[in-house]
Amino acid sequence: EAGVAQSPRYKIIEKRQSVAFWCNPISGHATLYWYQQILGQGPKLLIQFQNNGVVDDSQLPKDRFSAERLKGVDSTLKIQPAKLEDSAVYLCASSRQTSNEKLFFGSGTQLSVL
Amino acid sequence: SQQGEEDPQALSIQEGENATMNCSYKTSINNLQWYRQNSGRGLVHLILIRSNEREKHSGRLRVTLDTSKKSSSLLITASRAADTASYFCATDRGSTLGRLYFGRGTQLTVWP
Repeated sequence: EAGVAQSPRYKIIEKRQSVAFWCNPISGHATLYWYQQILGQGPKLLIQFQNNGVVDDSQLPKDRFSAERLKGVDSTLKIQPAKLEDSAVYLCASSRQTSNEKLFFGSGTQLSVL
Repeated sequence: SQQGEEDPQALSIQEGENATMNCSYKTSINNLQWYRQNSGRGLVHLILIRSNEREKHSGRLRVTLDTSKKSSSLLITASRAADTASYFCATDRGSTLGRLYFGRGTQLTVWP
């Protein structure tokens, strides 16, 4: 089966600019996650979707970050305006449902904010 | 905040040796998972161990779980250069909603 697809692979922007990341989960996976991974650290959960509804966005900095999954399939994560500390890899993951099972990760988008 | 704390932060061994990585956590859990991440790539699931299990094997991997000590270990036997990667443990913090909380990881380097 095809894996989780993410684009772009790399993005370099200047602070205060906006940026968007796209994720296409594995077909049939109802649950989608966005994680932020700062260099040298483990992934940190930003937001969890179940179909097109938000399950948990408690860790999402809502003053600058937004995410949507309009039709319960693809998802976009946006940062506006970006700060230097947003430099990180943004990982998308999916699973079949909201239960305690393994996650499938995409290769991530590496963001550099200058 | 990070849930798991992996130990050691970095491990360097020769091919053929065994590699042991440890993970400690702070809350109750339903299960604990280990993931591997090659440089510049996403995470790949290795193994899941449930809170009522004490040990699990998968190929050259052996995972143990001690819920009384809130700790887990990942053993890779007969390591290969291709095992070079970062290894993360992740827990659900007792939630049944599927989300995982990751530790900082152990960077394993296996020298040929």
